[in-house]
Amino acid sequence: SQQGEEDPQALSIQEGENATMNCSYKTSINNLQWYRQNSGRGLVHLILIRSNEREKHSGRLRVTLDTSKKSSSLLITASRAADTASYFCATSRLIQGAQKLVFGQGTRLTINP
Amino acid sequence: ETGVTQSPTHLIKTRGQQVTLRCSSQSGHNTVSWYQQALGQGPQFIFQYYREEENGRGNFPPRFSGLQFPNYSSELNVNALELDDSALYLCASSFRFGANVLTFGAGSRLTVL
Repeated sequence: SQQGEEDPQALSIQEGENATMNCSYKTSINNLQWYRQNSGRGLVHLILIRSNEREKHSGRLRVTLDTSKKSSSLLITASRAADTASYFCATSRLIQGAQKLVFGQGTRLTINP
Repeated sequence: ETGVTQSPTHLIKTRGQQVTLRCSSQSGHNTVSWYQQALGQGPQFIFQYYREEENGRGNFPPRFSGLQFPNYSSELNVNALELDDSALYLCASSFRFGANVLTFGAGSRLTVL
């Protein structure tokens, strides 16, 4: 079962616009991570936000976390064609005594030139 | 510092056959996780290895098995292949004690006919 649920499932915008993706989760967390995947290849870690943080920035990325609503958002500003990819949120779940990352189904982002 | 490498990149098998996928961890990482990603879905946790022992398993049957070697490389073995095993298999390495940030390989695309 998925821990995180991304919304929307697909998003298409024009180059230069901002893209916002949301993630909801079900259980309490220590941190939440966002990953990017280009066209069926491996995932690349983008950013981690801890449960005691509300907002974090990395370049054109801004992540927010609302633990009271069990939700997070990823904002990509001034989008570029190279940002076209699938984006996944991930949270840790305790499985057999150790923390494992559990991923949502992802948001497919398309940047149109 | 090398990243995570997986082999083979693509392979085709028939139902009932067996397959072995290989993964070399990123230097300095001591934990390996395997994920299965069906088309259009998020990665599903299969199992994790630490100190050459399985350290947690997701909802996958025993015909999915693995190994971790002293140099932290790993293998995923799948017996009695079924059509639904067609997927991208992702290996990810991490450091046991930390925020559980995963470094992924590019994946092995398995097609079962």
